Amino acid sequence: AQTVTQSQPEMSVQEAETVTLSCTYDTSESDYYLFWYKQPPSRQMILVIRQEAYKQQNATENRFSVNFQKAAKSFSLKISDSQLGDAAMYFCAYRSSGAGGTSYGKLTFGQGTILTVHP
Amino acid sequence: DAGVTQSPTHLIKTRGQQVTLRCSPISGHKSVSWYQQVLGQGPQFIFQYYEKEERGRGNFPDRFSARQFPNYSSELNVNALLLGDSALYLCASSFAIQNSPLHFGNGTRLTVT
Repeated sequence: AQTVTQSQPEMSVQEAETVTLSCTYDTSESDYYLFWYKQPPSRQMILVIRQEAYKQQNATENRFSVNFQKAAKSFSLKISDSQLGDAAMYFCAYRSSGAGGTSYGKLTFGQGTILTVHP
Repeated sequence: DAGVTQSPTHLIKTRGQQVTLRCSPISGHKSVSWYQQVLGQGPQFIFQYYEKEERGRGNFPDRFSARQFPNYSSELNVNALLLGDSALYLCASSFAIQNSPLHFGNGTRLTVT
């Protein structure tokens, strides 16, 4: 079974600064997807960024980028020019590609990291 | 277009009771998944339905059941409620069963007393 670990329960950053959230995972599969989700107090889980394991290039979405290290099974999220609206709980998540016979799109989440942004 | 809608928003039940949570997916989405999020933890997968059939089940007891209707909406039922069932229940929809982005609703907060 796959596991996802986020070792930082809480992180804080000054507005306009850069912060990196860590995530490691364990899997025996070679093809899969990794995600970062943001959950603000409104409770809705919002997709921040997605990475396909077969792509060597790190995904980037505006101020959000990832450092994907497949051999090390590491998937960190970097938030540049942090804004007050970035404050939320961030979850790292894993999903099988289905190539190994998995018939559904189950997401396996980490424990989450609470990000505080100071003005 | 409306996003994923869940009802009710909040619910308070007593131990031993039964509860039904409802989810309407985004129009055109055929897959609905349910997750349980205990306070301070990441969501845990409960079920996935696609085209009205159960396509995946997480490690939850038989007290948990679900179904998907012809219009692709879904219900999650929990029988014989325990205090430990208190959680945020999230519904997510996607167009296909695999390799489609999941879109989450705002969840139903269930409190069992």
